[in-house]
Amino acid sequence: DTAVSQTPKYLVTQMGNDKSIKCEQNLGHDTMYWYKQDSKKFLKIMFSYNNKELIINETVPNRFSPKSPDKAHLNLHINSLELGDSAVYFCASSLRDRGRDTQYFGPGTRLTVL
Amino acid sequence: AQKITQTQPGMFVQEKEAVTLDCTYDTSDPSYGLFWYKQPSSGEMIFLIYQGSYDQQNATEGRYSLNFQKARKSANLVISASQLGDSAMYFCAIRHRNFNKFYFGSGTKLNVKP
Repeated sequence: DTAVSQTPKYLVTQMGNDKSIKCEQNLGHDTMYWYKQDSKKFLKIMFSYNNKELIINETVPNRFSPKSPDKAHLNLHINSLELGDSAVYFCASSLRDRGRDTQYFGPGTRLTVL
Repeated sequence: AQKITQTQPGMFVQEKEAVTLDCTYDTSDPSYGLFWYKQPSSGEMIFLIYQGSYDQQNATEGRYSLNFQKARKSANLVISASQLGDSAMYFCAIRHRNFNKFYFGSGTKLNVKP
């Protein structure tokens, strides 16, 4: 009964490669997010989709491109990976429920760029 | 702009004692939500407690309670009867009601001593 799942959990790759991280939620939520957590544990939002529509696009390099094929999925594709992309990437989802909109997080994907 | 400040990078507490983790925020919006998340060493982000800006009473969830002082713009988390399993990073977050966006604080690392 996994709520928010991400694959892969770990991703080790060389600089310059292209990689994707997948996220799925079975909570019936209408909004999904991608966050980046750096080595100092700072969490920063990258993107947000509501009903498959991009609603938040923070200052993120163009090499990062989210794709939401449906409300339950939000994937993150990263082109030309750089050393500074090494981080933990979290997917999250939420539902507007009387304004509460609590976000529930996936387990995270630890990306290491060599 | 929204801003969340957690001034305690690290804290120690004796097992079975209560501990307060500080969180202050800066917003000019009258409507917002405040959240606390726990991140154990395993890395997942676990939702703990929510407080709406218009809620009349302080939120409580089991051993977690939120000391919400709206005029002072503070939303401190109180953990009663600390357990060894409470050792983790704790993040405070704010969400503006009209935006699907969260701002996280820098976190407080709590260590519970036996």
